[in-house]
Amino acid sequence: KQEVTQIPAALSVPEGENLVLNCSFTDSAIYNLQWFRQDPGKGLTSLLLIQSSQREQTSGRLNASLDKSSGRSTLYIAASQPGDSATYLCAVKVRSGGSNYKLTFGKGTLLTVNP
Amino acid sequence: DTGVSQNPRHKITKRGQNVTFRCDPISEHNRLYWYRQTLGQGPEFLTYFQNEAQLEKSRLLSDRFSAERPKGSFSTLEIQRTEQGDSAMYLCASSPRTLGGSNEKLFFGSGTQLSVL
Repeated sequence: KQEVTQIPAALSVPEGENLVLNCSFTDSAIYNLQWFRQDPGKGLTSLLLIQSSQREQTSGRLNASLDKSSGRSTLYIAASQPGDSATYLCAVKVRSGGSNYKLTFGKGTLLTVNP
Repeated sequence: DTGVSQNPRHKITKRGQNVTFRCDPISEHNRLYWYRQTLGQGPEFLTYFQNEAQLEKSRLLSDRFSAERPKGSFSTLEIQRTEQGDSAMYLCASSPRTLGGSNEKLFFGSGTQLSVL
């Protein structure tokens, strides 16, 4: 059974700092990995998707890497801003049976960027 | 493209009542998913539709839960005889038809927050 772990569970940093969020998964047979952002009481916003054959993806101040063989991904946020404060969720796409797939999520990292 | 729409945003109900949630996916997205999220946890998969066909149901989906997607457009999730343990955020997501599983990107709605008293 695929398990996804995110470390740390919570992180508080001063504005302007660069930071790294970690995600690990137990089964390397994944099809892709997505990083999401979730604001309190809201739905999920997709930030980056890394296909299983890719090593990293970048969008603005965000960079996500994937090391499938070791079961790890990192989300790097450069020059953090108070508006980045949210919960960041990592999810891996796995086969759930036959030709069906599903996302398995970690519990998330709660990020607070202090002005 | 107006995004995935879910209604209602919040629902408070008494234990034992039935509730129904609605999800309108992004137009022309043929895949639709329901997830459930409790406080401090990541979302957990409930069920999946491709067009109007319900292709998979999680063991989390007890017989009190039923989901439909008539005509392959909007979907409804009904919970009968609600229990306090059903209190959670119910999230809907949709994705377009893609070539190859590794390229599939899910778009989530804002969710329906259910509170069972």
